Amino acid sequence: KAGVTQTPRYLIKTRGQQVTLSCSPISGHRSVSWYQQTPGQGLQFLFEYFSETQRNKGNFPGRFSGRQFSNSRSEMNVSTLELGDSALYLCASSLGRGRPLNEQFFGPGTRLTVL
Amino acid sequence: KQEVTQIPAALSVPEGENLVLNCSFTDSAIYNLQWFRQDPGKGLTSLLLIQSSQREQTSGRLNASLDKSSGRSTLYIAASQPGDSATYLCAVNRNSGGSNYKLTFGKGTLLTVNP
Repeated sequence: KAGVTQTPRYLIKTRGQQVTLSCSPISGHRSVSWYQQTPGQGLQFLFEYFSETQRNKGNFPGRFSGRQFSNSRSEMNVSTLELGDSALYLCASSLGRGRPLNEQFFGPGTRLTVL
Repeated sequence: KQEVTQIPAALSVPEGENLVLNCSFTDSAIYNLQWFRQDPGKGLTSLLLIQSSQREQTSGRLNASLDKSSGRSTLYIAASQPGDSATYLCAVNRNSGGSNYKLTFGKGTLLTVNP
């Protein structure tokens, strides 16, 4: 069974540009969450999608947005990039409902560098 | 606001030693707690998931306990090996609106097992 996949694995952008990251969850998983990891702040929750609907959102500015498609694949977009957006962006998938089936499985991440 | 603290921040032990990593959280109203392992530059690997109604979970040489009332969890690693060297992260999952799938992470414990 394939794990969570994220593309691209590495990105280099300049300030002011925008970027789109992609996440494909484990087959059958309907919930996708996004996290930002930086050395200073650690792992911080961005948002979570289930069945194409955003169910929960973290404390990030509106420049960070996401969406989920009918096949559960998800994308996140960051507009007007700032130097502080440099981070490892991690995607996690889970079945999305029921206990104990809410264990989250993470992808390898996308390393974004903003110059 | 949920806060998760992991002590110690770094730990270096000789191979074969048994060790304990600690995690504490401020809000005991959690849904579950998950321990992860992260190798440098990589994504997160789920180690153990403990539901709020459970006291412990075991997988191989790993044992995690949960004391929800005191806001504490421990991860016990038996007979440590150099391959166990990684950062270990604790994350709590708390009901947030209609979604159970928002993890709040600690900053992690960097474990080094010396041959």
